[in-house]
Amino acid sequence: DAGVIQSPRHEVTEMGQEVTLRCKPISGHDYLFWYRQTMMRGLELLIYFNNNVPIDDSGMPEDRFSAKMPNASFSTLKIQPSEPRDSAVYFCASSQGADEKLFFGSGTQLSVL
Amino acid sequence: QKEVEQNSGPLSVPEGAIASLNCTYSDRGSQSFFWYRQYSGKSPELIMFIYSNGDKEDGRFTAQLNKASQYVSLLIRDSQPSDSATYLCAVNNNDMRFGAGTRLTVKP
Repeated sequence: DAGVIQSPRHEVTEMGQEVTLRCKPISGHDYLFWYRQTMMRGLELLIYFNNNVPIDDSGMPEDRFSAKMPNASFSTLKIQPSEPRDSAVYFCASSQGADEKLFFGSGTQLSVL
Repeated sequence: QKEVEQNSGPLSVPEGAIASLNCTYSDRGSQSFFWYRQYSGKSPELIMFIYSNGDKEDGRFTAQLNKASQYVSLLIRDSQPSDSATYLCAVNNNDMRFGAGTRLTVKP
C-alpha cells in the first residue's frame, strides 16, 4: 500500500482565498483524522471520521473550516476564507480501529500571505 | 489543564547514554498510549505503543505505563545521533491526542 496520500505538499495563497486540502487514507482503514501542527500549539486534532461519518469536529477552529469524507478513499479539508493565522502544516492520518496506531501522510505546508 | 503534557525539554544526552522522556495525561478513561518520533520537516512515525500497566521493550526502546499515576514514559538506551528528533506522546480514548513533544538531541 502507498500509505496515506496528501495533496498538495505545499500551498501558498493569499488571505481571503479558498484552500482545499486532500487526503487518501490507507485502504481498509475505518478512521481518518485531520491534524494541524504549529510551533506554538503543537499537533492539534481538528476532526475525525469513522466509516466516512464525522464523529468529533470540536477541534475545528471556526466556521471557516469544513471537512468532508464522501467515500472511504477520499477526504477534504477546506478553509474559506483563509487567514494568515491558518498557516501551518496540516496532516491527515488513518487507522484501522479506534485504539489502533495512526499512519500519517506527508502533510501539507500551508502558507497564507 | 492540557490533556497530554510532556516534559518541556529540550533534552540533550551524549551518545550511548539513556534518554528518558516523560508524559502525563488527564483522561483516566484513556485506553492506549503511543510514542511517535518526528524528524524535522517530516511526519510523525510510530515507535512504540502500550496498552497495559508495566514495561514494554522493543530493541533499544522501552515504554512504561502507570495508569494509576496517569504516567507514560519512553526510555531510549544506547542513544544514537540518529535518535535526535522530537518525540510525541499520544493518548487514545476514541480519538488520538498528542502532547507538545520533547526535542531530543544526542551528541556524538
